[in-house]
Amino acid sequence: QVQLVQSGTEVKKPGASVKIYCNSSAHTLSDHYMHWVRQAPGQGLEWMGIINPSGDNVNYSQPFQGRVAMSRDTSTSTVYLELSGLRSEDTAVYYCVRAGDQYFDLWGQGTPVTVSS
Amino acid sequence: DIVLTQTPLSSPVILGQPASISCRSSESLLHGNGDTYLSWLHQRPGQPPRLLIYKISNRFSGVPDRFSGSGAETDFTLKINRVEPEDVGVYYCMQATQFPRTFGQGTKVEIK
Repeated sequence: QVQLVQSGTEVKKPGASVKIYCNSSAHTLSDHYMHWVRQAPGQGLEWMGIINPSGDNVNYSQPFQGRVAMSRDTSTSTVYLELSGLRSEDTAVYYCVRAGDQYFDLWGQGTPVTVSS
Repeated sequence: DIVLTQTPLSSPVILGQPASISCRSSESLLHGNGDTYLSWLHQRPGQPPRLLIYKISNRFSGVPDRFSGSGAETDFTLKINRVEPEDVGVYYCMQATQFPRTFGQGTKVEIK
């Protein structure tokens, strides 16, 4: 069964950056748009942005513009999320999500990020 | 941004009984191509969400047929025909008609 595998737990200090990766266990992601969604503790889902299959076009949610960067390495079928200027409010679980026809059909297991001094 | 409002926010249900969740959008979710990109997701505690329904009423692969979706334009409903123990968790509606993608606040389904 296809799975999205994400990098592990991160603990960062305020002002630092974090870079999370996501790849597939057994299937190429190169044909798919990929999204990132985060979920703060006890809260709902927040969409962060999308990257196209070739990695040359991104669309970020306005609250994250200026401090988020999504990229992908098509040779390894890996997608990346980098978030800079971390603050305590960025403490959350970050999910990579594969997109089907405008629906989110496969989710990574999530990467917990804690921002604390 | 499109705002999705779910009701109720909490739904205690009896096993074997039906359950229903409403999702109302601040704008029509009808895309210019004629599709309506409203999905439903289910999240069990400690797990990532998983897709149940896409484009209003299409069950995703492996989703039991006790789940059904309906609606149009701005009003949508998820129904569970007979609630089973594994159906507990939080249900989210989500729209992909416009950027930014947005989610409802979530509806927590628990067994009464």
